[in-house]
Amino acid sequence: DSGVTQTPKHLITATGQRVTLRCSPRSGDLSVYWYQQSLDQGLQFLIQYYNGEERAKGNILERFSAQQFPDLHSELNLSSLELGDSALYFCASSVAGGGESDTQYFGPGTRLTVL
Amino acid sequence: GESVGLHLPTLSVQEGDNSIINCAYSNSASDYFIWYKQESGKGPQFIIDIRSNMDKRQGQRVTVLLNKTVKHLSLQIAATQPGDSAVYFCAETPGNTPLVFGKGTRLSVIA
Repeated sequence: DSGVTQTPKHLITATGQRVTLRCSPRSGDLSVYWYQQSLDQGLQFLIQYYNGEERAKGNILERFSAQQFPDLHSELNLSSLELGDSALYFCASSVAGGGESDTQYFGPGTRLTVL
Repeated sequence: GESVGLHLPTLSVQEGDNSIINCAYSNSASDYFIWYKQESGKGPQFIIDIRSNMDKRQGQRVTVLLNKTVKHLSLQIAATQPGDSAVYFCAETPGNTPLVFGKGTRLSVIA
């Protein structure tokens, strides 16, 4: 158990809908990262928040947004969902702002299925 | 759990043998590298890391080798066990930037 929690574990929804994925980082970690993992793909970095502020942005679609709250938990919002958004979404957390030796610890993931 | 990476390169190893998983990284400016293990239905789990000022680092049953000249990273697992069966990812970062993950290699341990 990494100490990072994600809810829900599974999510099934329809195209065009909007969903929210939730992540609680390890106690004491200030950074939260979101990743998308599709079949046949590695982990694609979406976005990072550090102590409530956006720190880095990756291949995140405009239909997706995220935020980190004062208690450091984070939510990833996915809207106007398409079939291709079906994937595993992972949250990771780290103590500092990222980079060398700032190990990222991953949660168990949320499996999103868009029908 | 969901199967990750159905078309990943696969390495099949007999239980008790040593495993070597290779990774070619792309950014010559990368100075920090990590190996993660992902079991079916779970999130990636940190195994071992190495900085660019080192060429070898050992952990418990695992060794990471770094060859910066050819931008190559390898993970060696000694006395491979059935519990080592998983997908292994290398990741790199050139300083304070997000990790870039490789495609992954599936390790299958034959009992």
